[in-house]
Amino acid sequence: QKEVEQDPGPLSVPEGAIVSLNCTYSNSAFQYFMWYRQYSRKGPELLMYTYSSGNKEDGRFTAQVDKSSKYISLFIRDSQPSDSATYLCAMRHAGGTSYGKLTFGQGTILTVHP
Amino acid sequence: DTAVSQTPKYLVTQMGNDKSIKCEQNLGHDTMYWYKQDSKKFLKIMFSYNNKELIINETVPNRFSPKSPDKAHLNLHINSLELGDSAVYFCASSPGDTQYFGPGTRLTVL
Repeated sequence: QKEVEQDPGPLSVPEGAIVSLNCTYSNSAFQYFMWYRQYSRKGPELLMYTYSSGNKEDGRFTAQVDKSSKYISLFIRDSQPSDSATYLCAMRHAGGTSYGKLTFGQGTILTVHP
Repeated sequence: DTAVSQTPKYLVTQMGNDKSIKCEQNLGHDTMYWYKQDSKKFLKIMFSYNNKELIINETVPNRFSPKSPDKAHLNLHINSLELGDSAVYFCASSPGDTQYFGPGTRLTVL
């Protein structure tokens, strides 16, 4: 079983839709959670970073973490064609020998069509 | 100004050759990483350096040797390239919590 499982998609939605992207994880040592966006032929770009259970909002993006269920989500409101990209969840331990190592999900390809 | 830069952007080479990829960051971060992204877009860590010292080595074949001449640079040298080494290699740097990625080097081994 992979440490981090991400709904692979692909996901295709109309412009203006609400998008929900999800990851589950098995290792309770993960304490920090990130969402990255990766456009085609580019490097991953950090979108959201959180370390506590609950919601964190930034513009049209909301990151949700439920540590008791080992489940994280990213919601995109009023999706735009420019949101079309691969979205990667990532997480890491708080410290120890694995300090700094990010474990990624497989990525979800999102297409927002006009 | 590019925060994390990599050269070259594309690298096409024959099996058995030796090649290097260079990474530089101008963010003042102490920690740098190399990741490999396969054809299915799965990103996996290879190495991590903190202030020029190796801190993570994720069971990568010893044909791969990272070198950090100073904390702003982390280069990756690959000996005896194999077909399975074809992938996109990303460098990243970190101030301690999140990581910032470079644009990637697309390596194709023929």
